[in-house]
Amino acid sequence: ETGVTQTPRHLVMGMTNKKSLKCEQHLGHNAMYWYKQSAKKPLELMFVYNFKEQTENNSVPSRFSPECPNSSHLFLHLHTLQPEDSALYLCASSQEGRNTEAFFGQGTRLTVV
Amino acid sequence: AQKITQTQPGMFVQEKEAVTLDCTYDTSDQSYGLFWYKQPSSGEMIFLIYQGSYDEQNATEGRYSLNFQKARKSANLVISASQLGDSAMYFCAMKPPGSARQLTFGSGTQLTVLP
Repeated sequence: ETGVTQTPRHLVMGMTNKKSLKCEQHLGHNAMYWYKQSAKKPLELMFVYNFKEQTENNSVPSRFSPECPNSSHLFLHLHTLQPEDSALYLCASSQEGRNTEAFFGQGTRLTVV
Repeated sequence: AQKITQTQPGMFVQEKEAVTLDCTYDTSDQSYGLFWYKQPSSGEMIFLIYQGSYDEQNATEGRYSLNFQKARKSANLVISASQLGDSAMYFCAMKPPGSARQLTFGSGTQLTVLP
């Protein structure tokens, strides 16, 4: 079992749908992240949560809404998405205050039709 | 601001040979960490190796080693004795130490190991 688990692995949704991506980490970390990976583009940091508090929002459109109810769970709520939002969404976690790597989940491959 | 540059969009290597994946970076920070991740077609980002900016020795992890040249701001990944399972995208990344933010990634290099 990986330390960071994302569900679902694949998601196809219409532009008028509302869906949520889920991330759970079993590593005892206190920081969690959402990244977007589009084809032929570097990973883009979307949101950062430290100790359940959002500390960064990198100019992400409001149709993406994060939620972090506790330090082990992170959600990304999606509504009225556009086709260009189709991408691989990766969740990661790390330990704030330590110079260690971030651990990633396997990602959710999202297709907006 | 930090920036990572990977100039090789694709690389090929023969099985059992060594390969070097290039990474250069730009930062005004005196202290920072450099990372390499592997992303197979399944999508998961797998951590490979870490180098701290004040580490005097190059990092090594099994078949992976990091050729760190601080003055040239380069952090190349060397994979020795390539295996077919090494075929994947490889990303170089950096961040300030002790911070959970700003893990900046390069655009990646697609490595294909040939039998």
